Amino acid sequence: AQSVTQLDSQVPVFEEAPVELRCNYSSSVSVYLFWYVQYPNQGLQLLLKYLSGSTLVKGINGFEAEFNKSQTSFHLRKPSVHISDTAEYFCVNKFYFGSGTKLNVKP
Amino acid sequence: DAGVIQSPRHEVTEMGQEVTLRCKPISGHDYLFWYRQTMMRGLELLIYFNNNVPIDDSGMPEDRFSAKMPNASFSTLKIQPSEPRDSAVYFCASRGQENNEQFFGPGTRLTVL
Repeated sequence: AQSVTQLDSQVPVFEEAPVELRCNYSSSVSVYLFWYVQYPNQGLQLLLKYLSGSTLVKGINGFEAEFNKSQTSFHLRKPSVHISDTAEYFCVNKFYFGSGTKLNVKP
Repeated sequence: DAGVIQSPRHEVTEMGQEVTLRCKPISGHDYLFWYRQTMMRGLELLIYFNNNVPIDDSGMPEDRFSAKMPNASFSTLKIQPSEPRDSAVYFCASRGQENNEQFFGPGTRLTVL
């Protein structure tokens, strides 16, 4: 069975501070890892994906994530967040979603 | 391409009524997914199709829910009879073979009174 665990349901952070949103996956088969973002009252948009190759993946809006096979993790990072990054972020393995992390960027 | 199209965008109905949600995937995509999003349960995969064939419907809550994909460009999710606990946002997504990325529609916000 495949599952995705997002360890933090909410992450408050001040503007221009770095942020890391944690994600762990479990899978007995190949992984296809994604991060999606959902802005308030909107649909879902792909931030980045890892299918194979380099373990450091860069996405849109300055986000990046690192695939770590030994730790079964795929944490999302941004060195300096903006108010506009306030949204809910979902880690996905294949088409199974984590429970989401709400990022709240404060001025 | 117009992206994934869902209709209606909003639906308000009374308990016991039949509800039909519609989805048009991106042309050329051969996977189609139905998700439900609620505050309590987050995003749940209900069912997905490959080449119009249902592959995994283990997420469908109960017999009141049914989904069909009569052709490559159209799918429906039906709830009959509807109940207040079905109130949620229902998303449709499609995916091609090449890169596993799912493209989501804008969702249908369903309210069952």
